[in-house]
Amino acid sequence: DIQMTQSPSTLSASVGDRVTITCRASQSISNWLAWYQQKPGKAPKLLIYKASSLQSGVPSRFSGSGSGTEFTLTISSLQPDDFAIYYCQQYSNYSTFGGGTKVEIK
Amino acid sequence: EVQLLESGGGLVQPGGSLRLSCAASGFTFSTFAMSWVRQAPGKGLEWVSAISGSGISTYYADSVRGRFTVSRDNSKNTLYLQMNSLRAEDTAVYHCAKDPDGDLHFDCWGQGTLVTVSS
Repeated sequence: DIQMTQSPSTLSASVGDRVTITCRASQSISNWLAWYQQKPGKAPKLLIYKASSLQSGVPSRFSGSGSGTEFTLTISSLQPDDFAIYYCQQYSNYSTFGGGTKVEIK
Repeated sequence: EVQLLESGGGLVQPGGSLRLSCAASGFTFSTFAMSWVRQAPGKGLEWVSAISGSGISTYYADSVRGRFTVSRDNSKNTLYLQMNSLRAEDTAVYHCAKDPDGDLHFDCWGQGTLVTVSS
């Protein structure tokens, strides 16, 4: 099984900050990586797929990069609506999610 | 607008069974693979099962293989998850999710239905 490790688990930031979340795979997954945002009591929302492709309708302040085993999600200027939990997901070999990163207000 | 609406969750005793449904609308259901993803209370996401658009191919996580069965009725635009031999660790919100490319990433999710396994 491929394990996905996200860091940090919690991130405190202010509106306007540049935020970066890292996701590491236990083995190479090429670019088969997605990022999701989840708010309390809501379904996850797809942000990024194939490591760097922005899902339709997602603001351009979200971007993804990486390949192989190391990936990042960047929010260029944090907005009030962005405080949430973010999950990475590999889909190279079936599917595994990372443990999540909570982005909270500083 | 794509909509996915799960139902069928509830309280069940260990060893019991439950069947979940996911009613889909707003897209050509039979064209897309679908998955079930669960989330234990306060925990992260776990992929559970997937099924191809035709229903011919099915896939399972090791944690549920042999106990859960995924199926679909394309005439009713509905996805199902039959869950048998339920365990306490199966307690979770179960989401159905649409797979746009058949590769196990998901562009639309339902709100989920809560399954609680407890005596």
